[in-house]
Amino acid sequence: TQLLEQSPQFLSIQEGENLTVYCNSSSVFSSLQWYRQEPGEGPVLLVTVVTGGEVKKLKRLTFQFGDARKDSSLHITAAQPGDTGLYLCAGDSAGTASKLTFGTGTRLQVTL
Amino acid sequence: DSGVTQTPKHLITATGQRVTLRCSPRSGDLSVYWYQQSLDQGLQFLIQYYNGEERAKGNILERFSAQQFPDLHSELNLSSLELGDSALYFCASSVSGSPLETQYFGPGTRLLVL
Repeated sequence: TQLLEQSPQFLSIQEGENLTVYCNSSSVFSSLQWYRQEPGEGPVLLVTVVTGGEVKKLKRLTFQFGDARKDSSLHITAAQPGDTGLYLCAGDSAGTASKLTFGTGTRLQVTL
Repeated sequence: DSGVTQTPKHLITATGQRVTLRCSPRSGDLSVYWYQQSLDQGLQFLIQYYNGEERAKGNILERFSAQQFPDLHSELNLSSLELGDSALYFCASSVSGSPLETQYFGPGTRLLVL
């Protein structure tokens, strides 16, 4: 079974601080996605990374896929209260279908 | 709003019962996925359908079954319910179900088994 461990599990920071969330696995994934989920809603896709070493930026969010495609990180610069939510990484194993394996999740709270 | 609808929003039932969860994908999407989210197991992939046919299977129990109808809506049937089946059940849809495609998640059905 492929497992994706995220750290930290919980993070409470103040507005303006920077943070990094990690997603680690012993398995290789053909692609990795990051989602944000807010209470009472389904996850929403933030980004997909495909190539080992790839870095993608989405405004204040920077996503990196590890060289060996086993791990990923999400860095948020100058966090805002609107960044509050559950961040999930999800790895997709190779194949013709899409079978996402989700990480354990990082719950982020950003306060004023 | 993702465009994916799920009904009911909440469901309370007793152990041993059977329930049906319904999902309508985004207009134009042919593939539907079902996920279970619980506190101890996190978000887990259950099953995927494409244009009425099962395409991929995950950690779906034998007591659970799903199908996708000609109008592309999907139903997840949960039978002989146990306390541990209490969870959020999400449906997602994508255009063709291929890897790298964006999956759009519905708002979920919260199931409580008493």
